[in-house]
Amino acid sequence: DQQVKQNSPSLSVQEGRISILNCDYTNSMFDYFLWYKKYPAEGPTFLISISSIKDKNEDGRFTVFLNKSAKHLSLHIVPSQPGDSAVYFCAASGVGSGGYQKVTFGIGTKLQVIP
Amino acid sequence: DGGITQSPKYLFRKEGQNVTLSCEQNLNHDAMYWYRQDPGQGLRLIYYSQIVNDFQKGDIAEGYSVSREKKESFPLTVTSAQKNPTAFYLCASSPTGTDTQYFGPGTRLTVL
Repeated sequence: DQQVKQNSPSLSVQEGRISILNCDYTNSMFDYFLWYKKYPAEGPTFLISISSIKDKNEDGRFTVFLNKSAKHLSLHIVPSQPGDSAVYFCAASGVGSGGYQKVTFGIGTKLQVIP
Repeated sequence: DGGITQSPKYLFRKEGQNVTLSCEQNLNHDAMYWYRQDPGQGLRLIYYSQIVNDFQKGDIAEGYSVSREKKESFPLTVTSAQKNPTAFYLCASSPTGTDTQYFGPGTRLTVL
């Protein structure tokens, strides 16, 4: 049962244009959402996050939007740069069965920014 | 330099052998995690530990074991009971009160 879904396995965007990566979730108990960026053969690095009490968070070229009613979030990168080419993981946090906060990851979207 | 280290980066083992993957952090984080990543799949949680001497099973704990004797260290043992151990293993840590996890560089385990 995939609670965090990234339905687009890949995305290609021209340099300078906007990249929009989407993520859907099913668990209404998730209260914190994160985006990670991963290069091949490396660990993911934290990019940006958003609390469920907000609908937008911006950090430089990166903006995350949260639509709680639709259980949908998106990551906007503008302008896109070739160095943004990587796999982007959406993640959601909520209390797991053990009573601890647990983070669930999506399967990732591979972004290619074309020079 | 603060960070998370995983060693080795590449590991080869024969089928039927147990193997232990190292994870060390000097970030003073309380929580530590182990994930595996397979092609076309997200990060799946194997085990996690919120505090020394305590750990919890994640979604795919079968065939794995961990220990948390020190705050800095969270080694993962892949036992011979793990049916498909070849994968990319990632260790992460997070400070208390935050969901942001910081990942190590990963270990690619190949079982021959």
